[in-house]
Amino acid sequence: EAGVAQSPRYKIIEKRQSVAFWCNPISGHATLYWYQQILGQGPKLLIQFQNNGVVDDSQLPKDRFSAERLKGVDSTLKIQPAKLEDSAVYLCASSSFRGRLAAYNEQFFGPGTRLTVL
Amino acid sequence: AQSVTQLDSHVSVSEGTPVLLRCNYSSSYSPSLFWYVQHPNKGLQLLLKYTSAATLVKGINGFEAEFKKSETSFHLTKPSAHMSDAAEYFCVVTFTGGGNKLTFGTGTQLKVEL
Repeated sequence: EAGVAQSPRYKIIEKRQSVAFWCNPISGHATLYWYQQILGQGPKLLIQFQNNGVVDDSQLPKDRFSAERLKGVDSTLKIQPAKLEDSAVYLCASSSFRGRLAAYNEQFFGPGTRLTVL
Repeated sequence: AQSVTQLDSHVSVSEGTPVLLRCNYSSSYSPSLFWYVQHPNKGLQLLLKYTSAATLVKGINGFEAEFKKSETSFHLTKPSAHMSDAAEYFCVVTFTGGGNKLTFGTGTQLKVEL
């Protein structure tokens, strides 16, 4: 099966500009996640969607970050305006639901978008 | 609250020698634990997972990990390192009822030398 697709792979912008990332999950996966991975750290969950709805956005900086998942398939993550500290790799992941035990619901990750804010 | 601590940020081994990547976890509930690998410019890939069925878990590419509740550890091992194992490895924890939310460690960079 095709994996999680993300674009662009790389993006360089200046601070205060806006940027958007796109994610296409594995076909049939109801759950979609956006993670931020700062250099030298593990990925941190920004937002989790279940179909069209938001399950968890507690760590999303809502003053500048927004995300949507129209029609329960593709998703976009936007940053406006960008700050220097937003430089990171943004990872998208998806999973199907096979039960309450988290280990049954393996998350499949895309290659990520590397954002550099100058 | 849940967290993981990866005790080594960098590990260097010679090809053909054993690999040990250390991970300790903290979870208020019965945890599920994972190891993911990240090769340069590639997505994270699941190596193995612990789901309370068996404490010794075997994964892909010859890796295995042992869940030790008394030590709150989930160390990753491989008997013989290969050059292709050079990558970053993440220990990850979640728990049932946690909405599938993964908490990642800070990662261990594995270097394999000839």
